Amino acid sequence: EAGVAQSPRYKIIEKRQSVAFWCNPISGHATLYWYQQILGQGPKLLIQFQNNGVVDDSQLPKDRFSAERLKGVDSTLKIQPAKLEDSAVYLCASSLDQVAGWGASTEAFFGQGTRLTVV
Amino acid sequence: GEDVEQSLFLSVREGDSSVINCTYTDSSSTYLYWYKQEPGAGLQLLTYIFSNMDMKQDQRLTVLLNKKDKHLSLRIADTQTGDSAIYFCAELQNTDKLIFGTGTRLQVFP
Repeated sequence: EAGVAQSPRYKIIEKRQSVAFWCNPISGHATLYWYQQILGQGPKLLIQFQNNGVVDDSQLPKDRFSAERLKGVDSTLKIQPAKLEDSAVYLCASSLDQVAGWGASTEAFFGQGTRLTVV
Repeated sequence: GEDVEQSLFLSVREGDSSVINCTYTDSSSTYLYWYKQEPGAGLQLLTYIFSNMDMKQDQRLTVLLNKKDKHLSLRIADTQTGDSAIYFCAELQNTDKLIFGTGTRLQVFP
């Protein structure tokens, strides 16, 4: 089974520029998550989709970050404009469904992440 | 606060047991998880425990849960060099939000 695909793997941009990340979840997975992992910290949930609807985006800095999930499959995360403190690894994960995805019957699968460096 | 706390580092000799500790925040969290992250890789789910359990064993892994103290631990028996990684605990809060800990870097030396 193919895993969660993310691209690009690495990105370096100057502050105030824009950047977009792409995630292709595992086929059939209804739930998709974007996490931000700053060096030395644990992952922080930015946004959670169930199919193409947003379940939780309470920690998404909406003045500069946006995300969408086209047709309930692929997702893009955009930062515009970027700041130095946005330097992090952006992880995408998917699971079959919301509650069970984190629990007993299914698990959430993570992509390898996109490492963003803002200079 | 919202921080799930873990100690930063743990160093053990190969063959010994490792115990990684975690203090979580939400007493009504339904599931608690342990994830492993190797350099340059994504997160891998190792094991989980439901909140009505106090222990779970899965091969070399033993999870202990103390709900009263909101304390979770992961014991790795017969630790191998391949176990060297960062380990994150995570709690699924009753709002279905998954909160990760700060991570513990486990180093296994021969």
